[in-house]
Amino acid sequence: ETGVTQTPRHLVMGMTNKKSLKCEQHLGHNAMYWYKQSAKKPLELMFVYSLEERVENNSVPSRFSPECPNSSHLFLHLHTLQPEDSALYLCASSQAEGTHNEQFFGPGTRLTVL
Amino acid sequence: DQQVKQNSPSLSVQEGRISILNCDYTNSMFDYFLWYKKYPAEGPTFLISISSIKDKNEDGRFTVFLNKSAKHLSLHIVPSQPGDSAVYFCAATRYNTDKLIFGTGTRLQVFP
Repeated sequence: ETGVTQTPRHLVMGMTNKKSLKCEQHLGHNAMYWYKQSAKKPLELMFVYSLEERVENNSVPSRFSPECPNSSHLFLHLHTLQPEDSALYLCASSQAEGTHNEQFFGPGTRLTVL
Repeated sequence: DQQVKQNSPSLSVQEGRISILNCDYTNSMFDYFLWYKKYPAEGPTFLISISSIKDKNEDGRFTVFLNKSAKHLSLHIVPSQPGDSAVYFCAATRYNTDKLIFGTGTRLQVFP
């Protein structure tokens, strides 16, 4: 149990669908992250929220929309995705503020866009 | 441009032997390095880390070595066990930043 949970674990969606990925952390952390992992590529940081404010947006297309209603929850809203968006989406959390930022990951959501 | 590189996509080692996983980085501003292990259908889990003020950090069977002049680090697993079979990611960061920069991973297989 890593203390970071993600739902759903698997998602298949069409290009016209709207869906959301959910992440919850039970570690008392104050920073949360979305990563994308595609085959044979490094984990790509998508978004960072620190103290519930978005502090990083790594040139992610607007069809991905994050939401962080509180320090324990993070959402990734998806709409009009493309087949190349199929990947493993990982959520992570950490305790920011003067640390070296060891991040704790959830199990990921395996997304397939048809 | 990849700042953290793991040039070996896979490694196969016999049980009981040493596994050595390598990682190179290009950004001299990195001052903290981490290794994560990932099993299929699970997220990466933190394994061990090292600060740039050290050249070695040991935790049980796992030792990480850092060579700052060569911008190279390695993870040694001794003795290797079948349960160590996983993908290992190297990551680098700077103090008080939110970013971890990951390598592409090395798949380790430990066979009996």
